[in-house]
Amino acid sequence: GNSVTQMEGPVTLSEEAFLTINCTYTATGYPSLFWYVQYPGEGLQLLLKATKADDKGSNKGFEATYRKETTSFHLEKGSVQVSDSAVYFCALSIDGQNFVFGPGTRLSVLP
Amino acid sequence: GAVVSQHPSWVICKSGTSVKIECRSLDFQATTMFWYRQFPKQSLMLMATSNEGSKATYEQGVEKDKFLINHASLTLSTLTVTSAHPEDSSFYICSAAGGIYEQYFGPGTRLTVT
Repeated sequence: GNSVTQMEGPVTLSEEAFLTINCTYTATGYPSLFWYVQYPGEGLQLLLKATKADDKGSNKGFEATYRKETTSFHLEKGSVQVSDSAVYFCALSIDGQNFVFGPGTRLSVLP
Repeated sequence: GAVVSQHPSWVICKSGTSVKIECRSLDFQATTMFWYRQFPKQSLMLMATSNEGSKATYEQGVEKDKFLINHASLTLSTLTVTSAHPEDSSFYICSAAGGIYEQYFGPGTRLTVT
């Protein structure tokens, strides 16, 4: 089956620190990969996506590269801000309709 | 961008009563909508897939008679939690498919059953 694994949180960083949240996947087929962000009390928002191997998704300073050889899609940001505190979900979709989400990683950024 | 709304955002109800949650796509038509449940500090669990004009498809383990889903139009899907109990308390999130690989999420509805 299809599944997504993320590094366990919570992750606590100081402002301007470098962020990496690991994500690996298992899929029967060729998935598209996504990162979603959930701020407290809100629904999920698409942060970035990549649809094929070696594609790099980027948005708001966040980046992730689709690595087929390692089945990974790690999320990175060079300098986090307090406003980046949220829960981050890695997800995949094979057919474009059904999504499989990872367990989420809670990020707390301290001033 | 595509916007999905949910109403209410927060509801408290007594055990044994029913609660209806609405999910609307505000600026696009969605043939397919999805309902998720999220427990505290956990990921989203897909409950059902809702297709306009047809019966919803429920995930294994989700009671279709308890969680009634109606997708009456291309912009509205509703989830009714019938005979709610405290264990139904959760955060319910809907999403609407705006196209292939495009899924837009609502802000969620927090249900508390007392």
